[in-house]
Amino acid sequence: EAGVTQFPSHSVIEKGQTVTLRCDPISGHDNLYWYRRVMGKEIKFLLHFVKESKQDESGMPNNRFLAERTGGTYSTLKVQPAELEDSGVYFCASSNTGGETQYFGPGTRLLVL
Amino acid sequence: DAKTTQPNSMESNEEEPVHLPCNHSTISGTDYIHWYRQLPSQGPEYVIHGLTSNVNNRMASLAIAEDRKSSTLILHRATLRDAAVYYCILRDGGSNYKLTFGKGTLLTVNP
Repeated sequence: EAGVTQFPSHSVIEKGQTVTLRCDPISGHDNLYWYRRVMGKEIKFLLHFVKESKQDESGMPNNRFLAERTGGTYSTLKVQPAELEDSGVYFCASSNTGGETQYFGPGTRLLVL
Repeated sequence: DAKTTQPNSMESNEEEPVHLPCNHSTISGTDYIHWYRQLPSQGPEYVIHGLTSNVNNRMASLAIAEDRKSSTLILHRATLRDAAVYYCILRDGGSNYKLTFGKGTLLTVNP
């Protein structure tokens, strides 16, 4: 069974540019989560989808971040425009109904210059 | 979210058992105790979770204090591949599935 995959693995962009991160959850998992770790900080929750609906987006830092999950399959996280403080590692995770165990992807390492 | 306290770091020798402690004195009755670990350059990985009773799986054991204010993750025979940051996380048993990560414990395993 394929795990959670994320694309790209690394991204280097300039301040003010736009970046879109993609996450493919484990097939059949209705729950999808985004987390991030910015430099020197702890891993923080961003949001939680149940199928295509946003269940909890309390961790989204500001309106420069837009997450979508059209069709309830893969998800994208767009940062527009990117700022220096957005640099970090963005993790995606998925879980099945009940959500006891979250399976994490390898992360996307974003560097904003 | 209820808070957990873990030592910043611990060290172990290969093939020996490791006991990773976690204090969670403000745990509520519906909080599950979850453990995840993060190996270098990887995403977090689920290890084990429990509510009241001790739990065992192929990776580890979880010992939960009778008052639930502390727990211990037990790796029965540490290997070099167990070197990672271990996170003890309380998660509400309701529909709020988000995980709140702290700083965790950095486990070093010596050959």
